Amino acid sequence: GAGVSQTPSNKVTEKGKYVELRCDPISGHTALYWYRQSLGQGPEFLIYFQGTGAADDSGLPNDRFFAVRPEGSVSTLKIQRTERGDSAVYLCASSLTFGQLAFFGQGTRLTVV
Amino acid sequence: AQRVTQPEKLLSVFKGAPVELKCNYSYSGSPELFWYVQYSRQRLQLLLRHISRESIKGFTADLNKGETSFHLKKPFAQEEDSAMYYCALSDSGGSNYKLTFGKGTLLTVNP
Repeated sequence: GAGVSQTPSNKVTEKGKYVELRCDPISGHTALYWYRQSLGQGPEFLIYFQGTGAADDSGLPNDRFFAVRPEGSVSTLKIQRTERGDSAVYLCASSLTFGQLAFFGQGTRLTVV
Repeated sequence: AQRVTQPEKLLSVFKGAPVELKCNYSYSGSPELFWYVQYSRQRLQLLLRHISRESIKGFTADLNKGETSFHLKKPFAQEEDSAMYYCALSDSGGSNYKLTFGKGTLLTVNP
């Protein structure tokens, strides 16, 4: 399809493990965003990329969280030493460029047990 | 800091009845406000934004800076309107970036 694609759709991991969540933006979109949605909450901003660089990572909760976008297209959100509190739906969105309408992916539901 | 408040977690109406989903915000600058909708098993999608001043699927929302509100309204609710609705605010001067979302309101339209 032509939309934002996130894989996996579901991920269950044990506390302390490392996980990677992948986002394929819409082709040609230079801006990419990660949000986290905990149960009963609205999405919360994590990080924003314009091209390959992280233009704003102020929403990352701590240094266990890291995201990359090496070629300016696919992005990977990496979480080290996962904790139960990291359980949430991780949403990715992309837009043609900064300031344009963003389109969301279906999200990855992460469960840390 | 900006904040978006949706006071109703759940809202239930009958088909054909008017519906209003409340949204209040706190922001020191000039905000851009949005309503996003998530239908069952679908992705989050933009419903409308205040700068467009348009009606989408019969919904409208007016930005009231005096009351810092951006309530979503529809005169006659339909069953297909049942969904989760999120009000959101942008803090980047008119760009759809770094959105701050409310906690959402689950709207159920009963037959």
